[in-house]
Amino acid sequence: DSGVTQTPKHLITATGQRVTLRCSPRSGDLSVYWYQQSLDQGLQFLIQYYNGEERAKGNILERFSAQQFPDLHSELNLSSLELGDSALYFCASSVVAANYGYTFGSGTRLTVV
Amino acid sequence: EDQVTQSPEALRLQEGESSSLNCSYTVSGLRGLFWYRQDPGKGPEFLFTLYSAGEEKEKERLKATLTKKESFLHITAPKPEDSATYLCAVRPNSGGSNYKLTFGKGTLLTVNP
Repeated sequence: DSGVTQTPKHLITATGQRVTLRCSPRSGDLSVYWYQQSLDQGLQFLIQYYNGEERAKGNILERFSAQQFPDLHSELNLSSLELGDSALYFCASSVVAANYGYTFGSGTRLTVV
Repeated sequence: EDQVTQSPEALRLQEGESSSLNCSYTVSGLRGLFWYRQDPGKGPEFLFTLYSAGEEKEKERLKATLTKKESFLHITAPKPEDSATYLCAVRPNSGGSNYKLTFGKGTLLTVNP
């Protein structure tokens, strides 16, 4: 157990629907990151939050949004889902200057049918 | 834009057959280069961080090295349990709490008994 908790582990939904992925970071970590991993693209950075504030944005679609709550857990909202959104979504957390990079959760596998 | 290229995409070895994985990078000032191991359906697991050219880190059968343009992950006398995807990532020297890592697509290593 890495200490980063992601729920749900699997999600199957239809095109056009909206889903919410949840992440609880490791105790003491203030930063949360969301990544999308597909077979052809590898791990793609979506967004980073630090202590409740957005700090960095990557290739995140306008249909996707995220937030980090006062208790530091984070949610990634995906709407108007398309078949191409099917992927593994990973959450990771870190302290600001960690020399170990991130600690990843076990991911949420999203399948859009 | 930061870029990470890993080669080969896939590598198949016999147990005990040593080899190296390559990670070439371009980044606007390197704050750190990271190696992760990822097993199927799981989140990446941290292996090493390298900070400056000439630095080396070792862990069991793995040894990571760093030059100004690339990093190598040397695998000595691998065992079947070393089979996994190995990911390389870089953090630019942008400072602050922006801690985005850019990942390569990984090398899928298979070690046959």
